[in-house]
Amino acid sequence: NAGVTQTPKFQVLKTGQSMTLQCAQDMNHNSMYWYRQDPGMGLRLIYYSASEGTTDKGEVPNGYNVSRLNKREFSLRLESAAPSQTSVYFCASTSLLDSPLHFGNGTRLTVT
Amino acid sequence: DAKTTQPTSMDCAEGRAANLPCNHSTISGNEYVYWYRQIHSQGPQYIIHGLKNNETNEMASLIITEDRKSSTLILPHATLRDTAVYYCIVRVTGTASKLTFGTGTRLQVTL
Repeated sequence: NAGVTQTPKFQVLKTGQSMTLQCAQDMNHNSMYWYRQDPGMGLRLIYYSASEGTTDKGEVPNGYNVSRLNKREFSLRLESAAPSQTSVYFCASTSLLDSPLHFGNGTRLTVT
Repeated sequence: DAKTTQPTSMDCAEGRAANLPCNHSTISGNEYVYWYRQIHSQGPQYIIHGLKNNETNEMASLIITEDRKSSTLILPHATLRDTAVYYCIVRVTGTASKLTFGTGTRLQVTL
């Protein structure tokens, strides 16, 4: 099993450009999450999706949009990138039952 | 979900037990305690979780106080590879909810 797969692994954007970060899981999990992690900081929740067809804001949703395309895929879109969005982005998934979060390996985004 | 409080950093000598505390004084009866760790900039890795009983697996032990307001993660024989940031979170079972992480404890294992 691949687990949680994030693409791309690295990305450099210029201010104002847009892009979509992709996340897919093959564990049949209901819930999926997007976090960002700035250097030397903890994880901050951007958006999450409790189940297919639903999304909710986390701690730091401004500047981002998400789409739960189907049960497997949960994408994060930056419509107009800003240098403050330079960060490492992690996607995670879990089932509704007692189970841990499974994380992807992250996307390292730099906005210049 | 209840918030957690952890020390910012801890040191441990290699081969000794590392005891990492977590305070979750507002935990609800249906919230589990989960521990994760993050090595360098990799994705966080699940370690162990529990509700009210002590738990042990091949990686660590989890001790939860009787009133469930705090817990301790124990790495019985720390190695240099255990140097990481350790996060304690609490989670309501049976529902999807905001799962927020604090800043964790940075454990430095030294020779």
